[in-house]
Amino acid sequence: GNSVTQMEGPVTLSEEAFLTINCTYTATGYPSLFWYVQYPGEGLQLLLKATKADDKGSNKGFEATYRKETTSFHLEKGSVQVSDSAVYFCALSESGNNRLAFGKGNQVVVIP
Amino acid sequence: EAGVTQFPSHSVIEKGQTVTLRCDPISGHDNLYWYRRVMGKEIKFLLHFVKESKQDESGMPNNRFLAERTGGTYSTLKVQPAELEDSGVYFCASSHRGVSYGYTFGSGTRLTVV
Repeated sequence: GNSVTQMEGPVTLSEEAFLTINCTYTATGYPSLFWYVQYPGEGLQLLLKATKADDKGSNKGFEATYRKETTSFHLEKGSVQVSDSAVYFCALSESGNNRLAFGKGNQVVVIP
Repeated sequence: EAGVTQFPSHSVIEKGQTVTLRCDPISGHDNLYWYRRVMGKEIKFLLHFVKESKQDESGMPNNRFLAERTGGTYSTLKVQPAELEDSGVYFCASSHRGVSYGYTFGSGTRLTVV
């Protein structure tokens, strides 16, 4: 079946630091890949997506590249802000299937 | 436009009681989804409505869970009787088109069964 694996544990870093959150996936076909973000007290929001291999999704300074050869979709941001503190979820969906499979999420805390 | 609204935001009930969660999707969104996140685990798919019809309910854990979508508008998810392992955050999402265009999620209902 489909599954998504995110690196364990919360991420704490200082403002303007570089952020990487690892995400790898297992899928039988050619999935679309997503990063969702949940700010405190809010619902999940789509941050970025990529629908085929080598596509790069980007939004709000965040980027992730769909790497089929390593089955990965790592999230990066070059200089984080306190307002980026949130929980980040990697997810996938298979074509012909309207459901999402999520990773466990990573709590990111940015310290001023 | 108004977002996806879920009621209540929190619910604490005793084991064996009944709880009903409600979701109001974005107006005009035919697709409505329920997901659940149990503490420390992944967010898991429960089911998918297209208008008032259940398109996919393969994620429903057992027959204590009943989802309905009246007239293709709001949806309810009833848990009867609730068990301790049902505790978690229940998310609703809606979309106008398919999943590749992204869902809009509600802020969730945190259910605690004691």
